[in-house]
Amino acid sequence: EAGVAQSPRYKIIEKRQSVAFWCNPISGHATLYWYQQILGQGPKLLIQFQNNGVVDDSQLPKDRFSAERLKGVDSTLKIQPAKLEDSAVYLCASSLSGTAGNTIYFGEGSWLTVV
Amino acid sequence: AQSVTQLGSHVSVSEGALVLLRCNYSSSVPPYLFWYVQYPNQGLQLLLKYTSAATLVKGINGFEAEFKKSETSFHLTKPSAHMSDAAEYFCAVWRGSGDKLTFGTGTRLAVRP
Repeated sequence: EAGVAQSPRYKIIEKRQSVAFWCNPISGHATLYWYQQILGQGPKLLIQFQNNGVVDDSQLPKDRFSAERLKGVDSTLKIQPAKLEDSAVYLCASSLSGTAGNTIYFGEGSWLTVV
Repeated sequence: AQSVTQLGSHVSVSEGALVLLRCNYSSSVPPYLFWYVQYPNQGLQLLLKYTSAATLVKGINGFEAEFKKSETSFHLTKPSAHMSDAAEYFCAVWRGSGDKLTFGTGTRLAVRP
């Protein structure tokens, strides 16, 4: 079974530029998550989708971050304009549903460096 | 208060020695508990999870963890470390419906030859 796919794997941009990350979840998974992992820290949830609706975006910096999940499958996370503190790994993940205790499967991450 | 605390950001053991990575949680409801492993430049891989079926949970690669309600702990152990176990390990808690999966700050395990 194919896992969670993410691209690009690595991206270096200058501050104030924009960047977009793409994610394709495991087939059949209704719930999709975007996490931010800063070096030396655990992943932090940015946004959670259930099908194509947003369930939780309370920790998403909405002045610069946006995400969408059109048609309830693929998702895109965008940052515009980027700041130095946005340097992190952006992990996409998916699960069958958002029910507590469901296993969440992670992609390999998109590594962002803002210079 | 932190919902999950991992004691020791770095742990170093000799190859063949016992691995013990500590995790304590706070929850007013029965939690779901997870251990994930992250190898360099990779995403997170599930090692094991506790869902109240049994207090001793066996996972992949010889790891296991025991849920101790009285100590609010879910420590990860492996009897004999292998060089390939060198990675970062994250404990995570999900405190029921309406909550989300919350990760600890991670423990980096080094294995000495």
